Amino acid sequence: ETGVTQTPRHLVMGMTNKKSLKCEQHLGHNAMYWYKQSAKKPLELMFVYNFKEQTENNSVPSRFSPECPNSSHLFLHLHTLQPEDSALYLCASNREGQLNYGYTFGSGTRLTVV
Amino acid sequence: QKEVEQNSGPLSVPEGAIASLNCTYSDRVSQSFFWYRQYSGKSPELIMSIYSNGDKEDGRFTAQLNKASQYVSLLIRDSQPSDSATYLCAVNGDDKIIFGKGTRLHILP
Repeated sequence: ETGVTQTPRHLVMGMTNKKSLKCEQHLGHNAMYWYKQSAKKPLELMFVYNFKEQTENNSVPSRFSPECPNSSHLFLHLHTLQPEDSALYLCASNREGQLNYGYTFGSGTRLTVV
Repeated sequence: QKEVEQNSGPLSVPEGAIASLNCTYSDRVSQSFFWYRQYSGKSPELIMSIYSNGDKEDGRFTAQLNKASQYVSLLIRDSQPSDSATYLCAVNGDDKIIFGKGTRLHILP
């Protein structure tokens, strides 16, 4: 375990379902990130939160809705997804202003949309 | 647009040989440089960070940085089959870390 915990590890959902991905870190970090990684594709930054405030939304479709209630928790709410949204969703965290230490990634949620 | 460029590979290296992975970056003011290893289906794992020009060694891994050329490399000595993975080069931006697309490395037994 890296200190960043993502649940569930695997998720299969239909296109009409609503589900949420959860990320939790106990590293004292205050910046959290959602990344999408499709098969054989690079990491795509989706959202950035610093001190609970969203500071970046990388033109992500509205069917993805992030929520950051506090510095330790980050959610990604999913609804009416498409099959092309199937991917590995990664949460990462670091201490704001300390990018020199890099990110710590969670284990990811493998999402399959059917 | 700040960019990090890597050859996607695959790079095939015989077991026991030296694997050399390369990366260039566009932002001259970047100060922190990272190499992440990602096994198939797993999340990226930070294996090396480097901040100053020159070499930094950690076990079988050596990171090399040349800021004048905007070039970062990772050498893996005595390559093992367990080193087969995708290696992501990353560089700090203003408020986030910017990742390259990764180089797939295959170590041939």
